[in-house]
Amino acid sequence: KAGVTQTPRYLIKTRGQQVTLSCSPISGHRSVSWYQQTPGQGLQFLFEYFSETQRNKGNFPGRFSGRQFSNSRSEMNVSTLELGDSALYLCASSLALDTGELFFGEGSRLTVL
Amino acid sequence: GNSVTQMEGPVTLSEEAFLTINCTYTATGYPSLFWYVQYPGEGLQLLLKATKADDKGSNKGFEATYRKETTSFHLEKGSVQVSDSAVYFCALVTIQGGKLIFGQGTELSVKP
Repeated sequence: KAGVTQTPRYLIKTRGQQVTLSCSPISGHRSVSWYQQTPGQGLQFLFEYFSETQRNKGNFPGRFSGRQFSNSRSEMNVSTLELGDSALYLCASSLALDTGELFFGEGSRLTVL
Repeated sequence: GNSVTQMEGPVTLSEEAFLTINCTYTATGYPSLFWYVQYPGEGLQLLLKATKADDKGSNKGFEATYRKETTSFHLEKGSVQVSDSAVYFCALVTIQGGKLIFGQGTELSVKP
């Protein structure tokens, strides 16, 4: 069974640009969550989607957005990039809601110059 | 609000030493508790979990007991190996909150 796949794995952008990250969950998993990981702030929750609906949203500015498609694949977008957006963005999928049992991808490492 | 606090790292141990990583939590309601592990260059993996008070989660020689009276979920292993070197995250989820909340992570380095 394939795991959670995130693309791209690494990317470099400049301030002011925008970026789209993609996540393919494990087959059969309908819930997808996104986390931002930085050395200073640790793991911070961005959003959670289930059946194409956003269930939960973390405390991030509106520049951060996401969506989920009918095949459960998810994308997140960050517009007007800032230096502080440099981070590892982790996607996780789960079979059921609110269990805490998440399956993580390897992440997309974003560097903003 | 709900939160998780872990002991600060990095923790450096010799092979076969005993490991304890402390974790305490604050939560409304009755959370489920987890330990996740992140090996270098990888995403997080679920290590173990406990869903109610006095439950003991265990996996790969690691153990943690859900202590409601002390709001703690300390991770232990009797004899660590070099391959256990990783970052360990304590986390909780509540039905009311829905999302998984992580502690700041504790880096473990095991030397041969």
